[in-house]
Amino acid sequence: EAQVTQNPRYLITVTGKKLTVTCSQNMNHEYMSWYRQDPGLGLRQIYYSMNVEVTDKGDVPEGYKVSRKEKRNFPLILESPSPNQTSLYFCASSSFNEKLFFGSGTQLSVL
Amino acid sequence: RKEVEQDPGPFNVPEGATVAFNCTYSNSASQSFFWYRQDCRKEPKLLMSVYSSGNEDGRFTAQLNRASQYISLLIRDSKLSDSATYLCVVNTVPGGSYIPTFGRGTSLIVHP
Repeated sequence: EAQVTQNPRYLITVTGKKLTVTCSQNMNHEYMSWYRQDPGLGLRQIYYSMNVEVTDKGDVPEGYKVSRKEKRNFPLILESPSPNQTSLYFCASSSFNEKLFFGSGTQLSVL
Repeated sequence: RKEVEQDPGPFNVPEGATVAFNCTYSNSASQSFFWYRQDCRKEPKLLMSVYSSGNEDGRFTAQLNRASQYISLLIRDSKLSDSATYLCVVNTVPGGSYIPTFGRGTSLIVHP
């Protein structure tokens, strides 16, 4: 089954404790992206990747890192999480200029 | 000006009503267009791609107007289960790159 797998689904952590949210797709998509969604603000892009070893900042990259060492994986790393990064996060992938497939989301709470 | 704009609503309609949403985009070089449906705190899911000739899927009709730079979504015979947020997505392809841009979504509430 074609899918984007995102883990964990829920995560509660404390300020400053490094964490990684994983994202994997099995559709051989070139494009992968991370978004955060906050009430009233819609989906905002954090980082995206056009292909292996190619990543670019989105609209809200501060406080986040990503890597694209393999085509299928695109982890989101928070080196030192802060409470303002409490949000709902989505990973997505697509072929070039096609529809996006989304992961199920990660609800992150930073205390 | 935001690149992709939608009326946030909410649109509050009775069951059986017909409701239409518009989404305007600012980049005339935009190449592909989509409508997604998002339920509360769930991932967006593709509802329809939008083609130049317009397309229909059951009760849903999508239209593209390139001259005026907007896409539309028409829902006929609304059901309670249509209550959700509807996101438009516009793909732009500048210089070999690829940028999907989201509207903030339009909230639809269908009541009995």
